[in-house]
Order: sequence, then structure tokens, then C-alpha cells
Amino acid sequence: GQQVMQIPQYQHVQEGEDFTTYCNSSTTLSNIQWYKQRPGGHPVFLIQLVKSGEVKKQKRLTFQFGEAKKNSSLHITATQTTDVGTYFCAGPGMADKLIFGTGTRLQVFP
Amino acid sequence: EADIYQTPRYLVIGTGKKITLECSQTMGHDKMYWYQQDPGMELHLIHYSYGVNSTEKGDLSSESTVSRIRTEHFPLTLESARPSHTSQYLCASSEPGISGNTIYFGEGSWLTVV
Repeated sequence: GQQVMQIPQYQHVQEGEDFTTYCNSSTTLSNIQWYKQRPGGHPVFLIQLVKSGEVKKQKRLTFQFGEAKKNSSLHITATQTTDVGTYFCAGPGMADKLIFGTGTRLQVFP
Repeated sequence: EADIYQTPRYLVIGTGKKITLECSQTMGHDKMYWYQQDPGMELHLIHYSYGVNSTEKGDLSSESTVSRIRTEHFPLTLESARPSHTSQYLCASSEPGISGNTIYFGEGSWLTVV
């Protein structure tokens, strides 16, 4: 079946360092979404990318959708302690369900 | 933030007890979902619904059941809880996006079965 994998599984960075998580789908996606889940919280929608090669920015966060629409990345510039959490990508699967990636847990040390 | 509510937020119950986790949304969304998530781990879809009287099993097998009698209400029931059911249960609903559904999650119900 369709799989969405993310790497790395965990990432520990010093505050101020950059961070990138990569999302890879086994199938071509019509769109990709990104969610953030704070520790003890629930996932919150961040952004949706639709076009091949699309790049979107939200302050220090840069999201990219691959040319083949099978992969995506989230890059955070100069991490802050408020960036701590798990970042999930998600893409549409069969029967109109959203398939979530395995997630990348980010820890930021002050 | 979306208007989707879950109760109870935290619950500790004994093995063999019946439990219903409530989920309500006020956005009029047709699609609703239940995900199971262990702390820091992946999100596993256990049930979903396309609308009233529609319920489907998700990708992860679950002993729980759901019902959708009203658009805004999507409760999940465990007839006989076991320690293996200890987890966080996240309810969600979605609206159609440009090319896909954006999912809004409730705050979750943390279930501990002792």
C-alpha cells in the first residue's frame, strides 16, 4: 500500500541552528500538507503545497514540493525553542483519506 | 483553530469497562476521523466517516466501534477496555481544500486502562 516516510525520525539541534525534515511518498501526490504537533498537543495544519516544484515560506519555515510530486521538505532557519515538536507531512491516499508520514521529532536545546 | 471538541480529555478505567469517547464539531464538516497515537509516535487512522450513517474502518485494526447519527457527532466506543487500548485518541474533521482535505484535530482523549 501507499507509504509516506519521513527522515530523520529524531533531530536534536542547538537553538539558532537550521533544521530540515524530508518526506518521501511511494506514489505521486496531488498535494502535500504539513502539520506540527507540540509535545502533549494535537497536530495543527501548517500549509498545503499543490504545484510541482512549489516553494512556500512562513517566516522562518520554508516548504518545498518536489518536481516529481513524490517528495517534500520542511526547512527551519535559525531554530527557536518554540519550534519543538513533531512535524508530519501528509498526502491524499485511496478513498480520499489523508496518509500521514512517520513524523520527525525536533528537539531544540537553548 | 477549528471548533472540534473531545471529551473526556483524560480517563483512567479498569480492564473490562465500556467507554465512549465523545467528539463534536461545529463546522458542519461531512468527513470525520479517529486516529490513535502513542506518545511521540505515528498517527494511525482507525475509523472514518464521509457523512451521516457512513462509517469505515481505517488502516489500523481496532476493536473500537463508531457511529455517525448526526453530522456534528462522531463517538468512539470500546465495549471492553484492555491495557493494550492505552493510548491517545484524536478525533478530526476535514473540509475540502483546493486539491485535498485539510484536517482539523481535536485536543485528544488520553485513555489509560489499568
